[in-house]
Amino acid sequence: DGGITQSPKYLFRKEGQNVTLSCEQNLNHDAMYWYRQDPGQGLRLIYYSQIVNDFQKGDIAEGYSVSREKKESFPLTVTSAQKNPTAFYLCASSIGLTFEQFFGPGTRLTVL
Amino acid sequence: GENVEQHPSTLSVQEGDSAVIKCTYSDSASNYFPWYKQELGKRPQLIIDIRSNVGEKKDQRIAVTLNKTAKHFSLHITETQPEDSAVYFCAATSNYQLIWGAGTKLIIKP
Repeated sequence: DGGITQSPKYLFRKEGQNVTLSCEQNLNHDAMYWYRQDPGQGLRLIYYSQIVNDFQKGDIAEGYSVSREKKESFPLTVTSAQKNPTAFYLCASSIGLTFEQFFGPGTRLTVL
Repeated sequence: GENVEQHPSTLSVQEGDSAVIKCTYSDSASNYFPWYKQELGKRPQLIIDIRSNVGEKKDQRIAVTLNKTAKHFSLHITETQPEDSAVYFCAATSNYQLIWGAGTKLIIKP
């Protein structure tokens, strides 16, 4: 299951805290994505990035922030402005925006 | 905005029978249609995809058909096996993003 990794696997956050989820890929992919998945639901796009130093908001970007300083890395920060952050977060990468997306194993975030 | 509708939300079939999941998309410019399988607690994984210049694609027990005129595409699984039990997601490109269906939970009855 190499190629794209996420850490940590489980994360607990107190209300009012910011937390950062890590996503790294060694596939030399240009495009990277962050999705949120709630129980029994589909995937909702938070942010995506086509190239280094560039990223775009997805459907549910409010309360989240990202950076893309390196091709391999696309960290997601869940800020205190995100009122209901408990969810499963999936990172993905692809060689381009209309090609197969490869997913990381996910981070399960719980707000205490 | 653009959307993808997926039906049914749950599908229960007898082991050995076929399963069909259907998706309808709204963006006539969509040109890439992947299908992903997600087992409980795991990451989604691509099982088959099709591009708009092709009407059908098959890989062993799995096939996808695309009807561009009607803007719908379907996943067909033949000779279902217990390991096919999972949630299946369809998606379609729109404005250089993938728009995802809500998922179909496939249950294989022994």
